[in-house]
Amino acid sequence: SAVISQKPSRDICQRGTSLTIQCQVDSQVTMMFWYRQQPGQSLTLIATANQGSEATYESGFVIDKFPISRPNLTFSTLTVSNMSPEDSSIYLCSVVQTHLTDTQYFGPGTRLTVL
Amino acid sequence: AQKITQTQPGMFVQEKEAVTLDCTYDTSDQSYGLFWYKQPSSGEMIFLIYQGSYDEQNATEGRYSLNFQKARKSANLVISASQLGDSAMYFCAMREGSGGYNKLIFGAGTRLAVHP
Repeated sequence: SAVISQKPSRDICQRGTSLTIQCQVDSQVTMMFWYRQQPGQSLTLIATANQGSEATYESGFVIDKFPISRPNLTFSTLTVSNMSPEDSSIYLCSVVQTHLTDTQYFGPGTRLTVL
Repeated sequence: AQKITQTQPGMFVQEKEAVTLDCTYDTSDQSYGLFWYKQPSSGEMIFLIYQGSYDEQNATEGRYSLNFQKARKSANLVISASQLGDSAMYFCAMREGSGGYNKLIFGAGTRLAVHP
């Protein structure tokens, strides 16, 4: 499977600030996904990022709060804007690698704490 | 209505014993995929096993097997010969339809503790 890296691995931020999370894949992929996992909760999809087009956001997530860039087939960023303590979560990116089964493989995650 | 239900918030098992983690799902699609992921305390999501809706045989991957009962809409994960390193959260997930562009829907997860 692809090697997926995320930066930063963790961060502690002040409310009202923004953080940009990077996701890098070692091979070209069409779709990249961004998920949020709030403390003690399951994963929720934020948006799907397709290279060369606007990201598609899930209900409850808006571009102004979570802008996403997808400049090429191996890289994407997610920005968490104007943060509040409720944004404290693990943010994970994923890619589809095994087209026979459409299995999604995940990056190691970014653990964000907002004070 | 919940699409993926994991009814066991927590489970424990003795080392070297087998354990079954339950997962039921709800979909009207004929084509779908079912996945299990492991999440250790580090937070990463590790893919374990996949079952396609048209697969006639239960999936197996090493010590992991998926007990797929289509009529009952259940996809239970069986871990044989549990090891201490199996202690983690386990998530069942479903992809509706065909093609990787469809999102994964996750269950609430089951926390497994393996005791020596």
